[in-house]
Amino acid sequence: AQSVTQLGSHVSVSEGALVLLRCNYSSSVPPYLFWYVQYPNQGLQLLLKYTSAATLVKGINGFEAEFKKSETSFHLTKPSAHMSDAAEYFCAVSATNFGNEKLTFGTGTRLTIIP
Amino acid sequence: DAGVTQSPTHLIKTRGQHVTLRCSPISGHKSVSWYQQVLGQGPQFIFQYYEKEERGRGNFPDRFSARQFPNYSSELNVNALLLGDSALYLCASSFRQYGNQPQHFGDGTRLSIL
Repeated sequence: AQSVTQLGSHVSVSEGALVLLRCNYSSSVPPYLFWYVQYPNQGLQLLLKYTSAATLVKGINGFEAEFKKSETSFHLTKPSAHMSDAAEYFCAVSATNFGNEKLTFGTGTRLTIIP
Repeated sequence: DAGVTQSPTHLIKTRGQHVTLRCSPISGHKSVSWYQQVLGQGPQFIFQYYEKEERGRGNFPDRFSARQFPNYSSELNVNALLLGDSALYLCASSFRQYGNQPQHFGDGTRLSIL
């Protein structure tokens, strides 16, 4: 079984400051990990994914995440926050074994950018 | 290129009714998954279909059913609606059914039960 825990349901950062959104996972098999962003009244947009290649993954809009097996973490970062980054962010995990491809999501982190 | 399209965008039903939600995947994608997102929570997996066969089912009652058509579009059906079924229903498609394939989401159908 897989699960993810997102620490902090709400995060506020100043415009131009570092963004750090935390995600820890639990998986009985090597995981695939994803970050999605959701803007109001929209679906989910894929930011980046980890699928067992490079542990530092670069995504869209300047975001990146690092897979740390020893810490079972996949935290999302962005060096400099922009007002347009305000949204809900979801970490998700899926399994690598065939027949278990569903995404299991965390509860989300709402990111607020302070002007 | 068109993304995942869902219809309708909004729907209001009353308790006990049934509802059908529709999804068209990205062209070339053969896998479709359905998720329920209750306000303030992350999406919860309902079904996955690949090549018209059910490949996964989440922890939802039998009132929920789905199917995939030869053109890979999909329908989600919910019978005997309950107030707790009020949610955003998301459809996602991917090229294949494997876990490393990123799933691309539509904007969802917001279902309100009165």
